[in-house]
Amino acid sequence: ILNVEQSPQSLHVQEGDSTNFTCSFPSSNFYALHWYRWETAKSPEALFVMTLNGDEKKKGRISATLNTKEGYSYLYIKGSQPEDSATYLCAFWGYNTDKLIFGTGTRLQVFP
Amino acid sequence: GAVVSQHPSWVICKSGTSVKIECRSLDFQATTMFWYRQFPKQSLMLMATSNEGSKATYEQGVEKDKFLINHASLTLSTLTVTSAHPEDSSFYICSARNHDRGLVSGANVLTFGAGSRLTVL
Repeated sequence: ILNVEQSPQSLHVQEGDSTNFTCSFPSSNFYALHWYRWETAKSPEALFVMTLNGDEKKKGRISATLNTKEGYSYLYIKGSQPEDSATYLCAFWGYNTDKLIFGTGTRLQVFP
Repeated sequence: GAVVSQHPSWVICKSGTSVKIECRSLDFQATTMFWYRQFPKQSLMLMATSNEGSKATYEQGVEKDKFLINHASLTLSTLTVTSAHPEDSSFYICSARNHDRGLVSGANVLTFGAGSRLTVL
């Protein structure tokens, strides 16, 4: 059974703080790692799709890194804002699976 | 950007009735639709994958006669929970993939609906 784990489960930070969280996934048969941002009552929104070991992607104040050999990805948010409050999901896509395996998400709350 | 509209956003029904959930891709052709279910404090669990015009592929443990999936057009997929029981109460969400974007499958981002909260009394 393929397992994708995210930590921490939840995080409370003050506005302006920088934060990061982790996604762990199987290191074998890796094809792609997805990150999604999911605000309450809205649709999950794609942040990044990463496929290469050592890849780093950035979107505004949010960035992500990927280590496929050891099976982890970090998501960083610099200078958190209240509008960053959401659940951040990562998902693993392996060769020959044709489906995304999701982690349980990290719920981030940013207080003003 | 790509949008998937999912309805209803919440539904309450009596035990034994059937409930239909619709997902429509509004500005692209959804050649593949994934249906997920999420129980409290758990991850999104894939129930089935459907490709337009063909039968859905169900994940192990998901009853195909109970969760009927229809993907008859490139813009509409439906999930019908038949003879619903309280244990079917859950959050159901669809996501669509457009093969026409020219990327290899695993690198395609998915476009999600906003989900449907089903409560069976």
